[in-house]
Amino acid sequence: QKEVEQNSGPLSVPEGAIASLNCTYSDRVSQSFFWYRQYSGKSPELIMSIYSNGDKEDGRFTAQLNKASQYVSLLIRDSQPSDSATYLCAVNRGTYKYIFGTGTRLKVLA
Amino acid sequence: NAGVMQNPRHLVRRRGQEARLRCSPMKGHSHVYWYRQLPEEGLKFMVYLQKENIIDESGMPKERFSAEFPKEGPSILRIQQVVRGDSAAYFCASGGTSGSTDTQYFGPGTRLTVL
Repeated sequence: QKEVEQNSGPLSVPEGAIASLNCTYSDRVSQSFFWYRQYSGKSPELIMSIYSNGDKEDGRFTAQLNKASQYVSLLIRDSQPSDSATYLCAVNRGTYKYIFGTGTRLKVLA
Repeated sequence: NAGVMQNPRHLVRRRGQEARLRCSPMKGHSHVYWYRQLPEEGLKFMVYLQKENIIDESGMPKERFSAEFPKEGPSILRIQQVVRGDSAAYFCASGGTSGSTDTQYFGPGTRLTVL
């Protein structure tokens, strides 16, 4: 079992819809959770970080964390074609070492 | 813009040559992390450095790879005698002073191609 698992996609959603990206992790002691967006050929860009159970909203993005289920998700409301990218989930156990998932490729169809 | 700087952005080497990748952390950051990303794969941690110290190099291949972060100047990831399997994107990230709860910000990466 991978430490951080994501569905590779592609996940296709129509413009204006809600895109839901999911991530599960195996280590219960994980403390910090991050979502990065990576456009093709570019570097990862931090979108959201979440540390406590529940929802955290930032503009069109909402991160959801459920530590009991070892599950973190990212919702993108009013999806735009410019949101088309690979979304990387990263988990931190309270140390400096991030464990990244392989990413979910999102396609927003105009 | 005082973001993470990496150079070169693209590097082409022939098998057996040496590759040197440089990273200057974000202003005010003292921690540097190197990752490798192979095509269609996730980011893999390689090494964590602070000024003049290697904190964790558990993700580095045992041979041919080395890293340093001198007191002055950028962090350098060095790959000796490159092979085709070293072709990848190498990203540097920097963080602040706390270490354990750093948010990591990534540089633009160096794309290494080994012919």
